[in-house]
Amino acid sequence: GQNIDQPTEMTATEGAIVQINCTYQTSGFNGLFWYQQHAGEAPTFLSYNVLDGLEEKGRFSSFLSRSKGYSYLLLKELQMKDSASYLCAVLDSNYQLIWGAGTKLIIKP
Amino acid sequence: IAGITQAPTSQILAAGRRMTLRCTQDMRHNAMYWYRQDLGLGLRLIHYSNTAGTTGKGEVPDGYSVSRANTDDFPLTLASAVPSQTSVYFCASSEAGGGNEQFFGPGTRLTVL
Repeated sequence: GQNIDQPTEMTATEGAIVQINCTYQTSGFNGLFWYQQHAGEAPTFLSYNVLDGLEEKGRFSSFLSRSKGYSYLLLKELQMKDSASYLCAVLDSNYQLIWGAGTKLIIKP
Repeated sequence: IAGITQAPTSQILAAGRRMTLRCTQDMRHNAMYWYRQDLGLGLRLIHYSNTAGTTGKGEVPDGYSVSRANTDDFPLTLASAVPSQTSVYFCASSEAGGGNEQFFGPGTRLTVL
């Protein structure tokens, strides 16, 4: 079967750095997405990785290792507004997105 | 309209009733999707459409139907609602299928009693 694993919840302090991990086992791989979802709102796109390595975009970076079936999202200089759920999703061999259950990130002052 | 809209925002429905959730986008995106999101589970794809006039089944299509008569609209119909269809439903669109960023509507919270 297809499986995306993420921690259910993480807590971090304002101004700090946090790394959210995602491991996957899917039928094929055509890229990995990270989305942010604030409570009661729609998911919004953060990043897309299809090749191994680190993609940096402002305070957010995303890393991919295809051989390990592993990705992480790195958030720097955390702000209170970063409190949200972070969703990892893999594009499988049928070009359909398989979603993880999301990681709820709680930022404390 | 800016982006992607859904209606209604929320609905309480008696089991056995028929319900259509509406989704409209003004971005001229070719691909559209319907997902359901349940607590503790990832988003699950119900149906998708890669272009107007075509539709396909996702991971959890049973009990749902869709149509794609034009580029902008992608309604989702529950022919005879059951309590297990209580969920938050998100419509999304992308320029094309595959590795393109998906843009999500605000969601419809549906409760089936």
